[in-house]
Amino acid sequence: ILNVEQSPQSLHVQEGDSTNFTCSFPSSNFYALHWYRWETAKSPEALFVMTLNGDEKKKGRISATLNTKEGYSYLYIKGSQPEDSATYLCAFESNAGKSTFGDGTTLTVKP
Amino acid sequence: EAQVTQNPRYLITVTGKKLTVTCSQNMNHEYMSWYRQDPGLGLRQIYYSMNVEVTDKGDVPEGYKVSRKEKRNFPLILESPSPNQTSLYFCASSSNTDRVEGYTFGSGTRLTVV
Repeated sequence: ILNVEQSPQSLHVQEGDSTNFTCSFPSSNFYALHWYRWETAKSPEALFVMTLNGDEKKKGRISATLNTKEGYSYLYIKGSQPEDSATYLCAFESNAGKSTFGDGTTLTVKP
Repeated sequence: EAQVTQNPRYLITVTGKKLTVTCSQNMNHEYMSWYRQDPGLGLRQIYYSMNVEVTDKGDVPEGYKVSRKEKRNFPLILESPSPNQTSLYFCASSSNTDRVEGYTFGSGTRLTVV
C-alpha cells in the first residue's frame, strides 16, 4: 500500500489567518495529485487535480502547488473564513488508475 | 444534473447475508471506483474500473466483488458480509481523458453488519 501522508492532522486558526497543509506521496508511477474538500455529512468535492511538476492551481482564496520530483504538494488558504472549516484530502493517482488517499487535514476556522 | 447515485443510503444487515450496493453515473465517465471510509482513516480504495469489462483491485479488495457490464453502472457486491465491513462506502467516477475535474462522488452508503 502506497504511503500518502498529510500534515498536520488538524489545524485551528482564527478567521482571517492564512494557512497551508502538506501532502507527501511517492514520486514513482505518478499520474495525478488530487485535492478534495470534505464537509461533515457531505461527499468529498474536488478542488484541484494536478498532473505536471511545477503545476500551480488557484480557485478564489485557495491555491495548490505540486512537486513530483520530491513528492509533495501544498494547499494554501488565504484569509481563512469559518465556511472553510472542513477536512481537506489529497489523493495520489498512479498511472495504472489506482488512487490512494491521505488521512486528511481537518481545518477549524474560529470567527 | 450530473451526478453519481448510490443506493441504498443506509443499510443494516446480518452477517453472511449477500448484499449489493448500486452505483450509477450519468456523465458518460469511463472511470469508476469504490472506497470505504472508517473513523480516523482516509478513503481506502476497494476496486476501480478504467472502462467497461475492466476492473482492478484497490488497497482493500478482500470480501468484495464488483462488475462493470455497462458504462454507467458499477455495483459493489458483498457475498458474505462480516462486521468488519461495517463502514461508510463511496462510489466515484471520472473521465479518463480529462482528469482536471477530479472524481465526482456519490452521497455515500452507511453499512452496518451485525
